[in-house]
Amino acid sequence: DAKTTQPTSMDCAEGRAANLPCNHSTISGNEYVYWYRQIHSQGPQYIIHGLKNNETNEMASLIITEDRKSSTLILPHATLRDTAVYYCIVLTGTASKLTFGTGTRLQVTL
Amino acid sequence: DTGVSQDPRHKITKRGQNVTFRCDPISEHNRLYWYRQTLGQGPEFLTYFQNEAQLEKSRLLSDRFSAERPKGSFSTLEIQRTEQGDSAMYLCASSQAAGGTDTQYFGPGTRLTVL
Repeated sequence: DAKTTQPTSMDCAEGRAANLPCNHSTISGNEYVYWYRQIHSQGPQYIIHGLKNNETNEMASLIITEDRKSSTLILPHATLRDTAVYYCIVLTGTASKLTFGTGTRLQVTL
Repeated sequence: DTGVSQDPRHKITKRGQNVTFRCDPISEHNRLYWYRQTLGQGPEFLTYFQNEAQLEKSRLLSDRFSAERPKGSFSTLEIQRTEQGDSAMYLCASSQAAGGTDTQYFGPGTRLTVL
């Protein structure tokens, strides 16, 4: 599975959009981009995933560049409850395991 | 729709004791995964089942660890002769592999402390 690079930490003001970048320059054609987050002392929570096209659900939007070498997770109106570690993971659709890196620690502030 | 549940949520044990954790996946999910997470690190894969078959085990799963999923529904993870280094959060996830993707949904975890 392709490796990913994420910033260690980011801050965002409550009510503003949080844009979390992820680089995955070695991604292959059959690999998906998945995003999970983990709020302190809880299990990871699935957010969204995509292959080529941009995706949106009730939690977030995923923007994947045309060359697929990077992506951005967008939380349109961040709240304090969005403070968490966000993990970008790249893997094939039928892969058996998730490989978590260090993720981005997002701190949402008043 | 109930999510993945794990029991117990917390376990404190003395070194050398055996412990067993239970995971109940989302109904009808055919895959079940176990991960371990130590403080400050991301979760690490331990093993996974497709139905009742254990298909992959990590090198992290020493011979003191055993996992079962006897009827393809709930799963148990047993640790024998616990060591202080086993202290961690043990996470369970489940998925329904279909249509080319396999999204895993996690439970709340069992936090193990070995004294």
